[in-house]
Amino acid sequence: GAVVSQHPSWVICKSGTSVKIECRSLDFQATTMFWYRQFPKQSLMLMATSNEGSKATYEQGVEKDKFLINHASLTLSTLTVTSAHPEDSSFYICSAPGTFENQPQHFGDGTRLSIL
Amino acid sequence: SQKIEQNSEALNIQEGKTATLTCNYTNYSPAYLQWYRQDPGRGPVFLLLIRENEKEKRKERLKVTFDTTLKQSLFHITASQPADSATYLCALHRQAGTALIFGKGTTLSVSS
Repeated sequence: GAVVSQHPSWVICKSGTSVKIECRSLDFQATTMFWYRQFPKQSLMLMATSNEGSKATYEQGVEKDKFLINHASLTLSTLTVTSAHPEDSSFYICSAPGTFENQPQHFGDGTRLSIL
Repeated sequence: SQKIEQNSEALNIQEGKTATLTCNYTNYSPAYLQWYRQDPGRGPVFLLLIRENEKEKRKERLKVTFDTTLKQSLFHITASQPADSATYLCALHRQAGTALIFGKGTTLSVSS
């Protein structure tokens, strides 16, 4: 079945550091990928939609200059958290939609980001 | 905006019993609804999808119902096992082809 690989799975870094998270579709091409953020005991909240070859679409309230998204190929989308601060600590998850509209999404295993 | 409510944050049951989880939504009439399982520190894993014209869907010990009049879906796990302990998420599409909107989830604990 379709597999989405997300890397790294865990990052701990100092405040002010920029962190890049990669999301790869391993056995299929994804022109669109979604980036979610999940705080403890909260639902997954959509941050942005990544589109191959064009600009990402950000949800209201998400700073596009802070959360840089690049979707340079049909199998790779990256999220860079720039100048991360402790309040950016969260669980970041990417997903790719199914081939057809009524198919489930395929999720990566998430990245636990901890900013000290 | 679309809202999804899973009315129980936590559900504790004994092994062998049936777990029933509830998902209610507002402001939208989705063509289909999905249920996912999420284990701690992992991404969601798809379980079942049910379409608006389907009243019920089954997969092994899992059963999902979809009542578009009540705007509610029920998720059942029969003969529950400790391995079923996880957080279960209900999800809808805001619009066709867009990202999913998730409920907060219900954390199920099955004790032996």
